Amino acid sequence: DQQVKQNSPSLSVQEGRISILNCDYTNSMFDYFLWYKKYPAEGPTFLISISSIKDKNEDGRFTVFLNKSAKHLSLHIVPSQPGDSAVYFCAASGGGADGLTFGKGTHLIIQP
Amino acid sequence: AAGVIQSPRHLIKEKRETATLKCYPIPRHDTVYWYQQGPGQDPQFLISFYEKMQSDKGSIPDRFSAQQFSDYHSELNMSSLELGDSALYFCASSSYQGDRNREAFFGQGTRLTVV
Repeated sequence: DQQVKQNSPSLSVQEGRISILNCDYTNSMFDYFLWYKKYPAEGPTFLISISSIKDKNEDGRFTVFLNKSAKHLSLHIVPSQPGDSAVYFCAASGGGADGLTFGKGTHLIIQP
Repeated sequence: AAGVIQSPRHLIKEKRETATLKCYPIPRHDTVYWYQQGPGQDPQFLISFYEKMQSDKGSIPDRFSAQQFSDYHSELNMSSLELGDSALYFCASSSYQGDRNREAFFGQGTRLTVV
């Protein structure tokens, strides 16, 4: 029973364009959401997060949007760069639990 | 900046053997988490420690145990290893702020192969 879902296993975007990665969740107890980036043979690297009391958080080229009523969040990367090619994991926490619940990841490929 | 250090990076064990994975959190981080990532899977939360006490438990098998020591490093002990235990094991650490932990920072992982 996947509580955090990333329905696109992969996404291909041209360099300079906007990359939009989507994530849906089912557990209404989640109140904190994070995006991690992962290269092969490395651990996940924290990118950006958002609390459920907000609907948008921006950090440089990265913006995360949260739609609580739809239980949906998205990560926007503008402009996309070749170094952005990686697997992106959506993660959530809440309900008193310590551990993060991860989605299965989206492999983002930035094409020159 | 210092990151989360995990050792060893790679480990090969035979079935029914034991393995010990070590994790050294970022300095001044008081919470450690262990995750298991199987091939093609998302990381699954195993267990966490806050101030040397177990704080939460996920899908950790009874054959596994873990602890956090006085210097905040943590060890994951795995006994009676099975082929299905082959995975990447990540440790993460974070700092307690207010009423909850915030972003967890991950180590590079230990790749365990059981043969």
